[in-house]
Amino acid sequence: DIQLTQSPSFLSASVGDRVTITCRASQGISSDLAWYQQKPGKAPKLLIYAASTLQSGVPSRFSGSGSGTEFTLTISSLQPEDFATYYCQQLNSYPRTFGQGTRLEIK
Amino acid sequence: QMQLQQWGAGLLKPSETLSLTCAVYGGSFSGFYWSWIRQPPGKGLEWIGEINHGGSTHYNPSLKTRVTISVDTSKNQFYLKLSSVTAADTAVYYCARGGLDPSRDGWFDPWGQGTLVTVSS
Repeated sequence: DIQLTQSPSFLSASVGDRVTITCRASQGISSDLAWYQQKPGKAPKLLIYAASTLQSGVPSRFSGSGSGTEFTLTISSLQPEDFATYYCQQLNSYPRTFGQGTRLEIK
Repeated sequence: QMQLQQWGAGLLKPSETLSLTCAVYGGSFSGFYWSWIRQPPGKGLEWIGEINHGGSTHYNPSLKTRVTISVDTSKNQFYLKLSSVTAADTAVYYCARGGLDPSRDGWFDPWGQGTLVTVSS
């Protein structure tokens, strides 16, 4: 199985901050990575697929980059509604796997 | 806009079989892969498996011996059965749409609302 390791696991930031979350894969996965946002009691929401393509309707302050084994999700200017947990997911091989999550909280 | 609505029993005893249904509304059912994903309370996401409209399946090896995913294209529904459940299977279970081609677009969108399944004696 491909393991995905996110860092940090917990992040405290303020409205307006620029934040970056990293996802590292245990082996190369090309650009076969997606990012999700999950709020308490809700299903995850797709933000980015193919490592850097913004899903329709997702604000442009979200961006993704990377390929191979290292990927990043960046939020350029945090808004109050962005405080949530973020997960990466690889779609390169079976079984599909997710990172352990990064919880983003208000400082 | 496609919506996924899921339902099933929320409380099971150890050794029973978990059964969930996911219905797809407002979009094409054919061609896509349809997945089940679970999330234990306070923990991360685990992919269970997927099926396409033709019945082709992929399962997570960690659950493969206990999981059956099936489909009814006439109803635009797909199903999850997980046998011999234990407390470790307590989780919120989600259904989700995958891609048309798992080798290219295996991300999940949209998702169902989630069903909490608790296993307790």
